[in-house]
Amino acid sequence: EAGVAQSPRYKIIEKRQSVAFWCNPISGHATLYWYQQILGQGPKLLIQFQNNGVVDDSQLPKDRFSAERLKGVDSTLKIQPAKLEDSAVYLCASSSPRFYGYTFGSGTRLTVV
Amino acid sequence: SQQGEEDPQALSIQEGENATMNCSYKTSINNLQWYRQNSGRGLVHLILIRSNEREKHSGRLRVTLDTSKKSSSLLITASRAADTASYFCAKDDYKLSFGAGTTVTVRA
Repeated sequence: EAGVAQSPRYKIIEKRQSVAFWCNPISGHATLYWYQQILGQGPKLLIQFQNNGVVDDSQLPKDRFSAERLKGVDSTLKIQPAKLEDSAVYLCASSSPRFYGYTFGSGTRLTVV
Repeated sequence: SQQGEEDPQALSIQEGENATMNCSYKTSINNLQWYRQNSGRGLVHLILIRSNEREKHSGRLRVTLDTSKKSSSLLITASRAADTASYFCAKDDYKLSFGAGTTVTVRA
């Protein structure tokens, strides 16, 4: 079984630029999560999708962050415009009720300069 | 907001020693999970413990859960250099809420 795929692995941008991250979950996993992990901290949930609907986006800074999961498969997380404090690793995870557990991708390390 | 608090924040031990880290949480749980993370990359699932379980083992790992104290502990026995990583507990309510983690360094 292929894992959760994320791209790019690294991204360096200047503040006020925009950036997008892509995630392809495990085939058949209905639930997809985006987490933000700032250096030295634990991952923080940004948004949770069930198929193509949003379940929880309470911690997503909606003035600058957006996410979509068209067709209930892969997902894109966008930041526009980026701030210095957005520097972090962005992790995508997926889960399925038939498989109890969560599988994480390798993450995208974003540096905003 | 982060639901778990790990203690200690950092731990340095000699190879072969045991490492114990604790996790406390604020509200009741369905399940609690422990994860390992190397070098700030992807998280690897270690153990899931359900709210009606008190102890689980997996290889050199032992997890305990005390729901009355809202706490859990992870014990790594006979540590190896490869165990050097950050360890996180996460409250599992059909989404994971992580603590800040414990950074473990195993010295050769």
